[in-house]
Amino acid sequence: DTGVSQDPRHKITKRGQNVTFRCDPISEHNRLYWYRQTLGQGPEFLTYFQNEAQLEKSRLLSDRFSAERPKGSFSTLEIQRTEQGDSAMYLCASSSSGARHEQYFGPGTRLTVT
Amino acid sequence: RKEVEQDPGPFNVPEGATVAFNCTYSNSASQSFFWYRQDCRKEPKLLMSVYSSGNEDGRFTAQLNRASQYISLLIRDSKLSDSATYLCVCGDFNKFYFGSGTKLNVKP
Repeated sequence: DTGVSQDPRHKITKRGQNVTFRCDPISEHNRLYWYRQTLGQGPEFLTYFQNEAQLEKSRLLSDRFSAERPKGSFSTLEIQRTEQGDSAMYLCASSSSGARHEQYFGPGTRLTVT
Repeated sequence: RKEVEQDPGPFNVPEGATVAFNCTYSNSASQSFFWYRQDCRKEPKLLMSVYSSGNEDGRFTAQLNRASQYISLLIRDSKLSDSATYLCVCGDFNKFYFGSGTKLNVKP
């Protein structure tokens, strides 16, 4: 399977703990996006990488959130001092360098903060 | 105001019906437009890109109206398997906005 993969698929953590999620994009895709989705809503943009450069970051992304893509391949999203409001599905998507930016999503990491 | 607005539905239609969804967007600088479908508790899957001249893929037709800032999706001859939530997306190169989705239920 050469699609986008995410790990873990589920994470339960206690409020105040740090969590880190990993995304492996489709191998030839140089663009990578992170989104957050809550029930009944569409995915909400968090951040965008082109290769290893983080080119866009939502103002909704508080300083507790950080993302990296150190070698332009896989990416990590870390949430520090988790809050109950962070409970959501975290989705990663990748796209090629073509003009259309058609994004392909991974299965997501479902985070539950207790 | 949300960047992308969609009627949440649900649209309940019989098999074989034609159904249309509209979506409006607020950023006139948006360059890329898409429709995705999302099944319950699954990730969004790309249905089709939306081109300025309109485009068709089998039973699906997408249209873009830049002057009025809306995009549409028409599904002909609905199948039971078309039941899903349809998400409208627009973006300006580095950032993309999803609507909250329109739920479609196709009944036998």
